[in-house]
Amino acid sequence: SQKIEQNSEALNIQEGKTATLTCNYTNYSPAYLQWYRQDPGRGPVFLLLIRENEKEKRKERLKVTFDTTLKQSLFHITASQPADSATYLCALGTDSWGKLQFGAGTQVVVTP
Amino acid sequence: EAQVTQNPRYLITVTGKKLTVTCSQNMNHEYMSWYRQDPGLGLRQIYYSMNVEVTDKGDVPEGYKVSRKEKRNFPLILESPSPNQTSLYFCASSSTGVGEQYFGPGTRLTVT
Repeated sequence: SQKIEQNSEALNIQEGKTATLTCNYTNYSPAYLQWYRQDPGRGPVFLLLIRENEKEKRKERLKVTFDTTLKQSLFHITASQPADSATYLCALGTDSWGKLQFGAGTQVVVTP
Repeated sequence: EAQVTQNPRYLITVTGKKLTVTCSQNMNHEYMSWYRQDPGLGLRQIYYSMNVEVTDKGDVPEGYKVSRKEKRNFPLILESPSPNQTSLYFCASSSTGVGEQYFGPGTRLTVT
C-alpha cells in the first residue's frame, strides 16, 4: 500500500543551526511534492513545490530536494529561528487533478 | 483579502443528525478539497473538486458527501454523522491541480 513517512519524533534544534526533515514514500510515483507549515490550531500554509524532474528548490532560508531514486525528499531550514517552530508536512501528488496525500508531519522546536 | 472561510468553526452534534459544513473561497480558484486531520494520521483527503459539478473521491470519502454548484463554494455534508467522524476538518482551494493549496481555518467537529 502507499505510504508517506515523516519522522514522528520532534526535532529539537538550536537557533542558528540547520534543521533537516525527511519525507520518505513507498509505492508511489509522485509527479510533485509539496511542503507545508502548520501552527497549532491553524490550517497548513504552503511553503514549496518541487516536481519530479527537479532536484532542488530554494526559497529564502528554505531548501527542498527530491530524489525519486531514493524515494525521498529532504527539507532544510537554514539559520533556524524560534519563529520557525511548527509542524512541517510533506504532501505528494500523482496527477494534476488535485488529489493529494499528506504525511503525518514532523514537529520542529527551535530554542534560543 | 484572499481567503478560504469555513463555517461553523466548532460544532458538537449527536449521532445521526445531518449537518453541513460550508466552505467558500474568494480567489476564483478552480480546485477545492476537503481534508480531515486526526492525531497521528495527518491530513487525509475526503473529496476534491476540479471545477463546478466535477468532484472525485479522496482517500476517506465514506460517510461524506460534497457538491460544487458554484465555483466559490464547496460544502461538506454528513448525512448521518457517527462518533468516528469526530475530527478537525479543513477546506482548501488552489488555482491549479498541482499548485499551492490555501487552507481555511478549520472546523472542529465532535459527534457524541
